[in-house]
Amino acid sequence: AQRVTQPEKLLSVFKGAPVELKCNYSYSGSPELFWYVQYSRQRLQLLLRHISRESIKGFTADLNKGETSFHLKKPFAQEEDSAMYYCALRRGGGYNKLIFGAGTRLAVHP
Amino acid sequence: DVKVTQSSRYLVKRTGEKVFLECVQDMDHENMFWYRQDPGLGLRLIYFSYDVKMKEKGDIPEGYSVSREKKERFSLILESASTNQTSMYLCASTLGVGIVEQYFGPGTRLTVT
Repeated sequence: AQRVTQPEKLLSVFKGAPVELKCNYSYSGSPELFWYVQYSRQRLQLLLRHISRESIKGFTADLNKGETSFHLKKPFAQEEDSAMYYCALRRGGGYNKLIFGAGTRLAVHP
Repeated sequence: DVKVTQSSRYLVKRTGEKVFLECVQDMDHENMFWYRQDPGLGLRLIYFSYDVKMKEKGDIPEGYSVSREKKERFSLILESASTNQTSMYLCASTLGVGIVEQYFGPGTRLTVT
């Protein structure tokens, strides 16, 4: 079965602390994974994708096929990082369908 | 810049009413999607459309139908609204084959009383 698991509903950290948002997936083929972010009163938007191997707003995510994980990391959290984060997996069967995890709310305190 | 718009930001309807949620995208995208977003459940796919007049059920299609008569417009229909359909509804679109990034609308918060 294709599944995305985000085990934490809420992650609360202080400004300047490291952040790791966990994502585990279940997929039999070669996975394509994404992180989407939704800031308060804004629409959901793509943050980064594993294929690009990029760093966006200081965030990185590495695909670990052995652990079937795609954790999102940032070494020093900022208050403006507070948002809802969703991990997503591209489904098999075409048409660019995604499976989303339940989401993790990141709260960065001053 | 891709623009996905949804007809209403907030909507309050009564149980049993027929409800229409409209979504329009202005970038000639082929694929369009309807999700509902619930706390603790994330985004769940209701229906998607891969071309005009073409549609497929997602994971939770019961109680919903869709219509796509024009490429830019994708409508979600609640045939007879029920209280368990109270939710945030998100529309998204993506260009087509090989382009996976989905662009989302602002959402419609529907309350069924």
